[in-house]
Amino acid sequence: QSVLTQPPSVSGAPGQRVTISCTGSSSNIGAGYDVHWYQQLPGTATKLLIHGNSNRPSGVPDRFSGSKSGTSASLAITGLQAEDEADYYCQSYDSSLSGWVFGGGTKLTVL
Amino acid sequence: QVQLQESGPGLVKPSQTLSLTCTVSGGSLSSGAYYWSWIRQHPGKGLEWIGYIYYSGSTFYNPSLKSRITISVHTSKNQFSLRLNSVTAADTAVYYCARVAGGSYLDYWGQGTLVTVSS
Repeated sequence: QSVLTQPPSVSGAPGQRVTISCTGSSSNIGAGYDVHWYQQLPGTATKLLIHGNSNRPSGVPDRFSGSKSGTSASLAITGLQAEDEADYYCQSYDSSLSGWVFGGGTKLTVL
Repeated sequence: QVQLQESGPGLVKPSQTLSLTCTVSGGSLSSGAYYWSWIRQHPGKGLEWIGYIYYSGSTFYNPSLKSRITISVHTSKNQFSLRLNSVTAADTAVYYCARVAGGSYLDYWGQGTLVTVSS
């Protein structure tokens, strides 16, 4: 059971918009700690997509965006492409556990 | 472009010590601008943060693993390492090394190395 809760899977057709939620609590996201998002493709290194809730590193397409509100955060992907099919993870800090925590991951399927 | 590469045995016997090394290229581990971290992923599961180290040797460990782990830095070789002792089958996982930026996020990751704990 992960401290940050993500839906196990989401799907969408090419060109559509999907969102992936990351729900925490008052000891992590709700306490104001930043949320970061990662993309994990089989056979390739895990990639940072969003840091500090909504900041995109250089090279990440603007189709990817992040937001945070209350005890939750979301990753939105617009103009869905086949290459976006991957596992996505959120990460934050938890003061009760005194360490970084990840979500359980969400598998995105492009239909 | 910073690159990280994990290396070490792929098979460790129960009760023994797991030892992995991460070699950093394309950047200096001792630049002082970053921390350096280990993360693991159990088969078919999510990610688990293990700990991180600063070039000076300061460490911060996951409290749930703290009693069994040691992370060390070897600046002359541009490497840092992980030792996890008293391993059990529950420690079977893919182990990743990564660079920590902004004090809180992982901006570059290694490809990961699978370590299996089995007799």
